[in-house]
Order: sequence, then C-alpha cells, then structure tokens
Amino acid sequence: NAGVTQTPKFQVLKTGQSMTLQCAQDMNHNSMYWYRQDPGMGLRLIYYSASEGTTDKGEVPNGYNVSRLNKREFSLRLESAAPSQTSVYFCASKTSLQRDTGELFFGEGSRLTVL
Amino acid sequence: GQSLEQPSEVTAVEGAIVQINCTYQTSGFYGLSWYQQHDGGAPTFLSYNGLDGLEETGRFSSFLSRSDSYGYLLLQELQMKDSASYFCAARSPDSNYQLIWGAGTKLIIKP
Repeated sequence: NAGVTQTPKFQVLKTGQSMTLQCAQDMNHNSMYWYRQDPGMGLRLIYYSASEGTTDKGEVPNGYNVSRLNKREFSLRLESAAPSQTSVYFCASKTSLQRDTGELFFGEGSRLTVL
Repeated sequence: GQSLEQPSEVTAVEGAIVQINCTYQTSGFYGLSWYQQHDGGAPTFLSYNGLDGLEETGRFSSFLSRSDSYGYLLLQELQMKDSASYFCAARSPDSNYQLIWGAGTKLIIKP
C-alpha cells in the first residue's frame, strides 16, 4: 500500500511563479489536509477537506487554493509564490470512523523554496 | 484561545526512561494524540488518549489527566533511533476535523 503520496518532493520557484502540489491517498479516507511546517516549528493547517466535494480554510490559508478532485486526490495551488511560502508541505488523510483517534496519515512532504 | 505547551527540548541517555509533557488550554477537549517525527521525515502517529489513564504500546506509553489538563508521553529503554521530535495534538473544539498542535519536543539521546 502506498498510503499518502505527494508530488513533487522538492521544488524551487521564483517569486511570482505558480505551482500545484499533488496529493493522493489509497486508504479510502474521507478527510484530507494540507499542512505547512517551518523549521523548528509545529504543523499549521492550510486547508482541509472533510469529505469529497467540500473544502475549508485552516489557520493559514492566505496565498493558497485547494481542489478536492475526487475522494483520492487533494491538490494545493500557490498562485503567486512568495518567499514567505518557503516551507515543507505535508498532505495528510484521516478516516471518519465513529471512534476518532485523531490518527492522521502523512505523506513524505514536499520541500518548497521560493527565491 | 486553544494551545498546547510542550518543552522545546529534552535530553536523555540511551537505555533510560524519559517523559515528555504536554499541557493544554482548550475550551473543549476530545482527547490527546502523540506523533513522532524524525529529521527530514513525516509525522507518524504514536498513540491516543480519549479517557484519563495510561495507554501502553510497547516501549511507549501515554497518559492523560483531563482534570489537570495534562498529558505525557513516556519512552522506556531509549534507543538512538528514538531521537526525533514528538508532538502532542488535540482535536479543536471548533471543528471535528482540525487538530491543535503543540510546537514539538526535540528528544536528544546520548550514548
């Protein structure tokens, strides 16, 4: 099982360029998330999708857009990259079973540098 | 507001026992989760406490006291591979789908 797969793993952008981070999960999970993690920091939620067809803002949504393409895929788009968006981005997914342990399954991360 | 506080760094010796604390302030509380993250890696789920008490999974245990707004992760028989950052997280009272994260505790293990 692949779990949660993110692409690309590394990307360098120039200020003002756009790009899309792709995420796919094969665990039939309903909820998907995009987080960013800055050096030495915890995780901050950018956007999430509770179920197919819905998306909601997290703590730090400015400068990002998302698309829940289907149940498996959840993409994150930077329309006009800024140096402040240099970070490691993690996609995660979670089941929505009644007994919610809060267990998130994470992808390996996408390391983005904006020059 | 809602927040979880953890020590930024803890140092221990290989083979020893270490406790990583997490105190929280939230208007509602739905349980505490723990994650491990190695440098350059992704967070991985370790444990969850929905009720007061101790949960044990091999060398790792996690404890919760809701009356004290406090939990901890206990790592026994420390191994060098346990060197990592450990995060506590709690479900947000504002949303069933969001977690509130602590800033993480870097565990340094010395031989």
